Amino acid sequence: NAGVTQTPKFQVLKTGQSMTLQCAQDMNHEYMSWYRQDPGMGLRLIHYSVGAGITDQGEVPNGYNVSRSTTEDFPLRLLSAAPSQTSVYFCASSPFGTRAMNTEAFFGQGTRLTVV
Amino acid sequence: KQEVTQIPAALSVPEGENLVLNCSFTDSAIYNLQWFRQDPGKGLTSLLLIQSSQREQTSGRLNASLDKSSGRSTLYIAASQPGDSATYLCAVGYNDMRFGAGTRLTVKP
Repeated sequence: NAGVTQTPKFQVLKTGQSMTLQCAQDMNHEYMSWYRQDPGMGLRLIHYSVGAGITDQGEVPNGYNVSRSTTEDFPLRLLSAAPSQTSVYFCASSPFGTRAMNTEAFFGQGTRLTVV
Repeated sequence: KQEVTQIPAALSVPEGENLVLNCSFTDSAIYNLQWFRQDPGKGLTSLLLIQSSQREQTSGRLNASLDKSSGRSTLYIAASQPGDSATYLCAVGYNDMRFGAGTRLTVKP
């Protein structure tokens, strides 16, 4: 059971380039989300999805797009990379979403992105 | 807006010591609180999930408590080991998950 798989693990982009971070889960979870982790700031929510075809913005959505065409996949697109987007990105999934007491979140291993 | 704070930011203890990590949150309207462990360069591993109707959860040497009314949670680690060295994060769940910045724990042999 692979859990939550993120690719790539490392990426260097030039300012202005675009790219897609991939996230896939094999647990049939309805809820998926993307976070970024910066030193001293914990994890901040970028976008989330409560099911296929449904996405919404989190705390820091600017500069990122998402789509959810299947239950398994939730890619994160950087439209025009900026140095401020240098961070570690984590994808997470959970069975019931955050509005449930018994939902446990599972995280991928992260993508370390550097924008130069 | 929910704010989650973890104190201390870093902690160093000798092996065998019992220790407590603290997590506080400003809005008591939560569905759950989750404690995670993060090793350097790795993802987050869930340690304990406390539902809002519960007061505590235990797993092995770990015990987490939740006091919603005061906006506090503690993670108690008994008989610490060098392998416990990692960053520990708490997150509260409501409309989304809000994370603290974490406590970096070092257990010295």
